[in-house]
Amino acid sequence: DVKVTQSSRYLVKRTGEKVFLECVQDMDHENMFWYRQDPGLGLRLIYFSYDVKMKEKGDIPEGYSVSREKKERFSLILESASTNQTSMYLCASSSTIEQYFGPGTRLTVT
Amino acid sequence: GQNIDQPTEMTATEGAIVQINCTYQTSGFNGLFWYQQHAGEAPTFLSYNVLDGLEEKGRFSSFLSRSKGYSYLLLKELQMKDSASYLCAVRANAGNMLTFGGGTRLMVKP
Repeated sequence: DVKVTQSSRYLVKRTGEKVFLECVQDMDHENMFWYRQDPGLGLRLIYFSYDVKMKEKGDIPEGYSVSREKKERFSLILESASTNQTSMYLCASSSTIEQYFGPGTRLTVT
Repeated sequence: GQNIDQPTEMTATEGAIVQINCTYQTSGFNGLFWYQQHAGEAPTFLSYNVLDGLEEKGRFSSFLSRSKGYSYLLLKELQMKDSASYLCAVRANAGNMLTFGGGTRLMVKP
């Protein structure tokens, strides 16, 4: 069965902290994505990766970076968390057509 | 850029039929997707259209008109468990990136 897992379901961090969100997929997919989801704004793409060590900016990359050292793992990094980064973060992976989503991490920055 | 519009909320009655519309404007087009997302859960794939016409999958059907930049998701024999958000997403020519609309929250009432 297809599986995308994320390291935490809920996370609370303080302003200025460095935050790591981890995503792992077990489907040997080339493509991996990080989105944030906010009420009224839908899913917005932060970064994606189409291969190990490769990354591309999405629509809202400011304040974020990513790392993909292994094919199955894609990490999202908030260099210095701010309150406007409080959101639901969703990771996804895909091979050719559909994207498979992880359960999401609800991050609160106080 | 891309612009995707869908209604914010809809209400329908158990056993009825409901149609959720999605209009889009894109600089390139390589497929339209519908996802279902229950509250607090990850989006799950429902359908994919790349050619004009109707794709039927059980109680759910999806229609695409590329010339009109228009799609709809048709849900028949509504059940209470169909209460969820329905996300329309478009893939442009480049890679596997998806741009999502804001989502339509469907409430099914007895």
